[in-house]
Amino acid sequence: GNSVTQMEGPVTLSEEAFLTINCTYTATGYPSLFWYVQYPGEGLQLLLKATKADDKGSNKGFEATYRKETTSFHLEKGSVQVSDSAVYFCALSDRSSASKIIFGSGTRLSIRP
Amino acid sequence: GAVVSQHPSWVICKSGTSVKIECRSLDFQATTMFWYRQFPKQSLMLMATSNEGSKATYEQGVEKDKFLINHASLTLSTLTVTSAHPEDSSFYICSAAGGLAVHEQYFGPGTRLTVT
Repeated sequence: GNSVTQMEGPVTLSEEAFLTINCTYTATGYPSLFWYVQYPGEGLQLLLKATKADDKGSNKGFEATYRKETTSFHLEKGSVQVSDSAVYFCALSDRSSASKIIFGSGTRLSIRP
Repeated sequence: GAVVSQHPSWVICKSGTSVKIECRSLDFQATTMFWYRQFPKQSLMLMATSNEGSKATYEQGVEKDKFLINHASLTLSTLTVTSAHPEDSSFYICSAAGGLAVHEQYFGPGTRLTVT
């Protein structure tokens, strides 16, 4: 079945450091890929998405490229801020499954001032 | 646009009682709504999918008689936790999909349920 695997946290970085959170997926067909962010005590917010191979999703300085050949969708940001501290979830949606979203386990990111 | 609200944001109830959680799409018609459960420091687990006017489809292992889902209109779905027990304490999150963005879900802020 479909699944998402992302790097385990927690990840702790200093402000202005470069961020990479790895995500790989297993799916039949051509899923859409997402990164969601969950700030403390809040629900999920869509951070970015990509719907086909080689698409790059971007938002708030974060980027991720849909790599079909490596089945990956790694999240990157060139210079993180304290306000980026949150839990990040990689996810996929199989178009054939009525929009059901499958989430990775989440990666907790903490940024030190 | 695409705002989803949940009510209440948190609730404490006694063991054996029932609790209803509402999920509303405020500015679009949600043909499909989803209910998730999230344990502390864990990922979201899909509990059930509901389409307006029809019975919900529950994921394997989710008791449909315990977690009653009603999707009576295109803007409202409710989750009722019946005869709640402490192990039902969790963060419940709904999402809604509809309109042109049928493959994109918009998430509510979540409801924290504590059963004492």
